[in-house]
Amino acid sequence: DIQMTQSPSTLSASVGDRVTITCRASQSVSSWLAWYQQKPGKAPKLMIYKASSLESGVPSRFSGSGSGTEFTLTISSLQPDDFVTYYCQQYNSYPWTFGQGTKVEIK
Amino acid sequence: EVKLLESGGGLVQPGRSLRLSCAASGFTFSSYAMTWVRQAPGKGLEWVSGISGSGSDTYYADSVKGRFTISRDNSKNTLYLKMNSLRAEDTAVYYCAKIEVSLEMSTILNYFDYWGQGTRVTVSS
Repeated sequence: DIQMTQSPSTLSASVGDRVTITCRASQSVSSWLAWYQQKPGKAPKLMIYKASSLESGVPSRFSGSGSGTEFTLTISSLQPDDFVTYYCQQYNSYPWTFGQGTKVEIK
Repeated sequence: EVKLLESGGGLVQPGRSLRLSCAASGFTFSSYAMTWVRQAPGKGLEWVSGISGSGSDTYYADSVKGRFTISRDNSKNTLYLKMNSLRAEDTAVYYCAKIEVSLEMSTILNYFDYWGQGTRVTVSS
């Protein structure tokens, strides 16, 4: 199985900050990587697919980059609604695997 | 509008069975692979099982293989997860999700573009 490791596990930031979350795969997943946002008590929501493609309706302050084994999710200017948890997921091979999550909290 | 609505969760004793359902609407159900993902209390996301649009191909996480069975009824636009021999570690919120069409015919590998709201399963005596 491909292991996905996110860092940091928790990120403290302020409204307006630029933040970056990293996701590393234990082996290459090419560009087959997605990012999801999850609010407390809610289902995950697709934000980014194929490493850098923005899902329709997702604000442009979110962006993704990377390929192979290292990927990043960047939020260019944190908004109050963004202080939630983010997960990366590889879909290069079975089984699908997720990172452990990164919680973005208010500093 | 795509909608996925799970049901069937609840409190069940260890060793017993439960069947989850996911009613889909807003898209051509039979054209899309579907999947179940779970989240234990306070934990991250864990993929559980997936099924092709026709239902002919199924996939399972090692943690549930041999105990859980995924199926679908395309005439009813409904996805199922039959869970047998339940254990305390199966306690979680179970989400169904739609898988975007894969670029390769031989696989259902792709990202999950729509998710249901989840149904809670608690395994306890």
